Amino acid sequence: AQTVTQSQPEMSVQEAETVTLSCTYDTSENNYYLFWYKQPPSRQMILVIRQEAYKQQNATENRFSVNFQKAAKSFSLKISDSQLGDTAMYFCAFMGGSQGNLIFGKGTKLSVKP
Amino acid sequence: SAVISQKPSRDICQRGTSLTIQCQVDSQVTMMFWYRQQPGQSLTLIATANQGSEATYESGFVIDKFPISRPNLTFSTLTVSNMSPEDSSIYLCSVVTFEAFFGQGTRLTVV
Repeated sequence: AQTVTQSQPEMSVQEAETVTLSCTYDTSENNYYLFWYKQPPSRQMILVIRQEAYKQQNATENRFSVNFQKAAKSFSLKISDSQLGDTAMYFCAFMGGSQGNLIFGKGTKLSVKP
Repeated sequence: SAVISQKPSRDICQRGTSLTIQCQVDSQVTMMFWYRQQPGQSLTLIATANQGSEATYESGFVIDKFPISRPNLTFSTLTVSNMSPEDSSIYLCSVVTFEAFFGQGTRLTVV
């Protein structure tokens, strides 16, 4: 069975600084997708970034980038130039290539301080 | 992309009663997923709903407690039956195209 582990329950960062959130996963599949979702207090799940396992190039979306290490089964999220609006829960998630449901990590609560 | 309208957004219910949550998608999708997020926790899959067949439930979730309907390719309902305070959670529906899209969530409080 697939598992997703986020080992940082809480993190904080100063505004404009950079922070990295960690995520590791376990799977025997070769074709899968990895995601980072943001959940602000409004509870809406917002996609931050997505990575296809077959792509070697790390995904980037503006201030957000990932460090995808397939052999190590690691998928960390780097947030550059942190903004107050980045304050939220961040969930790492795995989706198998033949499935549609996501398996989530326990989440990291990120606080951006002014 | 997909836009999902989920309602109600929140409700406070008496124990022993039932609540039905609805999700409407703006496009046809084969599978819809229902998740539960208990207070301070991550999302856990309750079941997968396919049109025209019974939902597939994950371990720990049963149809009598969480009956699901999927009458067409754009709509699904989840009912939380015979509620107890332990059912107080956020319930979310989701569909997957190239990524997972979520409804706005239903915050349920059982008193």
